[in-house]
Amino acid sequence: GAGVSQSPSNKVTEKGKDVELRCDPISGHTALYWYRQRLGQGLEFLIYFQGNSAPDKSGLPSDRFSAERTGESVSTLTIQRTQQEDSAVYLCASSLVTSSQYFGPGTRLTVL
Amino acid sequence: GDSVTQMEGPVTLSEEAFLTINCTYTATGYPSLFWYVQYPGEGLQLLLKATKADDKGSNKGFEATYRKETTSFHLEKGSVQVSDSAVYFCALSGPGGSQGNLIFGKGTKLSVKP
Repeated sequence: GAGVSQSPSNKVTEKGKDVELRCDPISGHTALYWYRQRLGQGLEFLIYFQGNSAPDKSGLPSDRFSAERTGESVSTLTIQRTQQEDSAVYLCASSLVTSSQYFGPGTRLTVL
Repeated sequence: GDSVTQMEGPVTLSEEAFLTINCTYTATGYPSLFWYVQYPGEGLQLLLKATKADDKGSNKGFEATYRKETTSFHLEKGSVQVSDSAVYFCALSGPGGSQGNLIFGKGTKLSVKP
């Protein structure tokens, strides 16, 4: 079946602008995760959804970052007033409650 | 807090060489341990996992054993191929072994030469 998809695959924006990144999880996966991978770094956890509630937002780096999820479907990660340090690959993953996480291809964000 | 440390790369090997990528962890409770692989131009894929001490995960000729006494989960393969060239990430599940967020190492880039 279809895997996790993310859009756009690449996004270039100017400092100070807002961006929205989208994730479509695998159908039936109740858990959804957002991670960030900065150049030369490992993956940093951002936020976790179980259904449409977010029991763990501990990784969001600042109040400029927010995320929503509609039911057990699409999620959007919004970054307001982007800064150059926000440049990274943003990865989404989904899973059943007790299974391994499956990752999407990522969105490469470049803030000029 | 919980953390994962893996050997820094890049690692360059000739085809058919033996591969070891070291991974050690610090965690509370009993986390699950994972190896993910990222092939050039592709997304992260789960390579193998182990959920309790002494478990051995294996896939595609790769193996890793969950060693609680040494807090390690080293990745091994007896004979690498050019197609194994990728970045390998060691990870553990969130605090307390829950199925929440994964904590990743920084990744090790492997290049296999013919």
